[in-house]
Amino acid sequence: QKEVEQDPGPLSVPEGAIVSLNCTYSNSAFQYFMWYRQYSRKGPELLMYTYSSGNKEDGRFTAQVDKSSKYISLFIRDSQPSDSATYLCAMKAGGFKTIFGAGTRLFVKA
Amino acid sequence: GAGVSQTPSNKVTEKGKYVELRCDPISGHTALYWYRQSLGQGPEFLIYFQGTGAADDSGLPNDRFFAVRPEGSVSTLKIQRTERGDSAVYLCASSLMGGGYQETQYFGPGTRLLVL
Repeated sequence: QKEVEQDPGPLSVPEGAIVSLNCTYSNSAFQYFMWYRQYSRKGPELLMYTYSSGNKEDGRFTAQVDKSSKYISLFIRDSQPSDSATYLCAMKAGGFKTIFGAGTRLFVKA
Repeated sequence: GAGVSQTPSNKVTEKGKYVELRCDPISGHTALYWYRQSLGQGPEFLIYFQGTGAADDSGLPNDRFFAVRPEGSVSTLKIQRTERGDSAVYLCASSLMGGGYQETQYFGPGTRLLVL
């Protein structure tokens, strides 16, 4: 079993929809949780960074962490075609070694 | 300012050959990371440099893989006796100091390696 599980999708939604992306993990030592966006043939770009449990909001993006359930989520409000990309969850216990999920491909249709 | 750059952007080689992949981090970033991303997967950690030294190389899959960062800036990932299973996108990232719990890693566009 992988340390981080993420549904690869693809997930297809109409423009303006609320998107929910999720990951589960098995390592209870993880404390730092991240979401990256990766466009085709580009490197990942950090979207959200959350420590421990709780919510964090940045514009149209909200990250949620539930450590008791080992479950993290990213919500995208008012989705746009430009949001079409692969979304990677990532996490680490501390320091520098980051473990990534497989990524969910998202398509937002105009 | 300039981001992380990687060269070449694409590399096609034959099984058994030697390849070198180069990473130019953001100027002033002391931490540098190499990852490998296979098709349909997330990046997989390979090695982390703090300055010139490899602080953690536990992700290197075997002794055919080696990386250097002799002057604490540019890094080269070297793969000997390439195998078809080495085909992947090799990503480089840098961060300001490394180890910082909420420090952002900035990724390059990657080198796409295809071993025939």
